[in-house]
Amino acid sequence: NAGVTQTPKFQVLKTGQSMTLQCAQDMNHEYMSWYRQDPGMGLRLIHYSVGAGITDQGEVPNGYNVSRSTTEDFPLRLLSAAPSQTSVYFCASSYQGGDTGELFFGEGSRLTVL
Amino acid sequence: QQPVQSPQAVILREGEDAVINCSSSKALYSVHWYRQKHGEAPVFLMILLKGGEQKGHDKISASFNEKKQQSSLYLTASQLSYSGTYFCGTRRWDSNYQLIWGAGTKLIIKP
Repeated sequence: NAGVTQTPKFQVLKTGQSMTLQCAQDMNHEYMSWYRQDPGMGLRLIHYSVGAGITDQGEVPNGYNVSRSTTEDFPLRLLSAAPSQTSVYFCASSYQGGDTGELFFGEGSRLTVL
Repeated sequence: QQPVQSPQAVILREGEDAVINCSSSKALYSVHWYRQKHGEAPVFLMILLKGGEQKGHDKISASFNEKKQQSSLYLTASQLSYSGTYFCGTRRWDSNYQLIWGAGTKLIIKP
């Protein structure tokens, strides 16, 4: 099993550019989520989804969009990149809700915004 | 509101024990523990869903004191492989699907 796959692993953007981080899982998990991790801080939830067609905001949703058209895929879109969005992004999925079941994380995507 | 983890960092010799604490100012429904090695994704250790619950995983165990709104992770006879940063994630009673994470405790094990 591939588990949770994120692409790209590294990306450099200029301020104002847009991009999409891809996340796919092959475990048939209903719950998927995006986190950002900054130095000295824990993980912060950006957006999450409890099933296809259903998304909701987490702690830090501003500047990001998501959609969930299939169970497998949960892309994260940066609409107009800002230096404050420089971070490591993790996609995670869970069979149960993300607050009661084990989260399976992707390998992360390191984003630098210049 | 972010739970507070203590200590921020700890250095041990192989075979020594460690305790990592996670405290919240809000009533907690569950506490989750993960370990992250440098440059890697967090890896699940355990979930504590009930106040008073204790769990163990090899020589790593945890307790959850619901009344004090805190959890502790115990690492016994630490091994080199235990090195990494440990994070607690907490779910409050007034939220669904969202974990709020502590800033992490960096554990360094020396031979």
